[in-house]
Amino acid sequence: SFELTQPPSVSVSPGQTASITCSGDKLGDKYAYWYQQKPGQSPVLVIYQDSKRPSGIPERFSGSTSGNTVTLTISGTQTMDEADYYCQAWDSNTGYVFGPGTKVTVL
Amino acid sequence: EVQLVESGGGLVQPGRSLRLSCTASGFTFGDYPMSWVRQAPGKGLEWVGFIRNKAYSGTTDYAASVKGRFTISRDDSKGIAYLQLNSLRAEDTAVYYCTREREAAALRGHDYWGQGTLVTVSS
Repeated sequence: SFELTQPPSVSVSPGQTASITCSGDKLGDKYAYWYQQKPGQSPVLVIYQDSKRPSGIPERFSGSTSGNTVTLTISGTQTMDEADYYCQAWDSNTGYVFGPGTKVTVL
Repeated sequence: EVQLVESGGGLVQPGRSLRLSCTASGFTFGDYPMSWVRQAPGKGLEWVGFIRNKAYSGTTDYAASVKGRFTISRDDSKGIAYLQLNSLRAEDTAVYYCTREREAAALRGHDYWGQGTLVTVSS
C-alpha cells in the first residue's frame, strides 16, 4: 500500500528557515497537501496541490516538489509556527494517505 | 463563515455502534464532497473515508481499516454528513474530524475541519 515518510522532528531557530520533507513511491505523480496542527486544535491546510497557498496562510509557508519528494518550507520561522505538520496525498488504490507527521520546534 | 460541527461521540463498548453527525453551515453543502479523518490519542492523522457530492454520483470510499464496518452518508437538505460506526474496536478510539473537500469535482485536500468529537471504545 502507498505510504509517506516524514522526519519525526525538525528544530529551527526563530527567523531561520525550516524544511520538512515528505517522500513516497511515485509521489511526484500525485498532488501533495500539507497541514499544520497545533496542540489541542484541528488541523489547518497550509499548502495544496504541492505549492499553492490557501488564502490567509502567510507567505512564509511554501511548498515544492523534486522527484518523489515534496518539501514544506517555512521561511523566517516564528514561534507561532511550532506545531505538527502532516503531508498527504491521494492514491488511487489506498485513498488519502497522511504522513506520520513532523514536530517542528522553534528554539 | 464555513463551520463544521461534529456531534455524537462518547464512550461505547467494543462491538457496539455509534453514529456521528457533522452539521455544516456557511456554504452550499450539497456542492462539496465531505471526508472524515480520525486521530487516535497522541497519534497522527488517519483518513477514514469520504462521500462525493450528488453531482458526482454521491458514492463513498473508505480506508481499508474501516471498510465494511463504517458507513458515510449525507442529507443535503439538512446540511449534515453522517459517519455510522459499527462493530467498534478499541483501536477505533480517536477524535473524529469532519472535513470539507476543497473542490467540488475532485479530491484536492481538506480546506475546512470541524473541532472533532471523541469516540472512546472500552468496556
